[in-house]
Amino acid sequence: DAGVTQSPTHLIKTRGQQVTLRCSPKSGHDTVSWYQQALGQGPQFIFQYYEEEERQRGNFPDRFSGHQFPNYSSELNVNALLLGDSALYLCASSLVRDGFNEQFFGPGTRLTVL
Amino acid sequence: LAKTTQPISMDSYEGQEVNITCSHNNIATNDYITWYQQFPSQGPRFIIQGYKTKVTNEVASLFIPADRKSSTLSLPRVSLSDTAVYYCLVGDALNTGGFKTIFGAGTRLFVKA
Repeated sequence: DAGVTQSPTHLIKTRGQQVTLRCSPKSGHDTVSWYQQALGQGPQFIFQYYEEEERQRGNFPDRFSGHQFPNYSSELNVNALLLGDSALYLCASSLVRDGFNEQFFGPGTRLTVL
Repeated sequence: LAKTTQPISMDSYEGQEVNITCSHNNIATNDYITWYQQFPSQGPRFIIQGYKTKVTNEVASLFIPADRKSSTLSLPRVSLSDTAVYYCLVGDALNTGGFKTIFGAGTRLFVKA
């Protein structure tokens, strides 16, 4: 089992550009969540996808959007990049069962905005 | 969503037991308590989850008092490789409408030789 995979591992963009990050969930998982983690801080919840729909969203502007595909993989899109968007972007997959929910995190994509 | 409060940092020595306490005064009836571990430049890794009393797995124990307003993660005989940030999270794992996972600042544990 490959676990959660993310691509690319590193990315450098300039202000105003757009970026797409990709995530493949752990085998058998149907829910994908995205997080932004700035240096020295805890991960901040961006949104969650289930059955190809966004069903929960954190306090992030509309510049952050996503998509989930029928195979449960997901993309995070960020438009009009700002310097403050520089962070580690984490994807986590999960499967709710019997009141137990364990999220498996990928290694993250390090985004640098210049 | 219940807010959690943890110590910012802790130091320990190899072989000692480490207990990290988390306060969550506003925990709701359906909320579970989950702990994650994170190493630098890696995603968080699930450690343990519980609802009440005591839960134990191969790496840690989780103690939850009857009022559930706090919880304690216990790491037995820590080693240098346990140096990491530990996050306490509280949330409703049964929320069929989806769930938000709110991470706090975490506790930075530094294990010394």
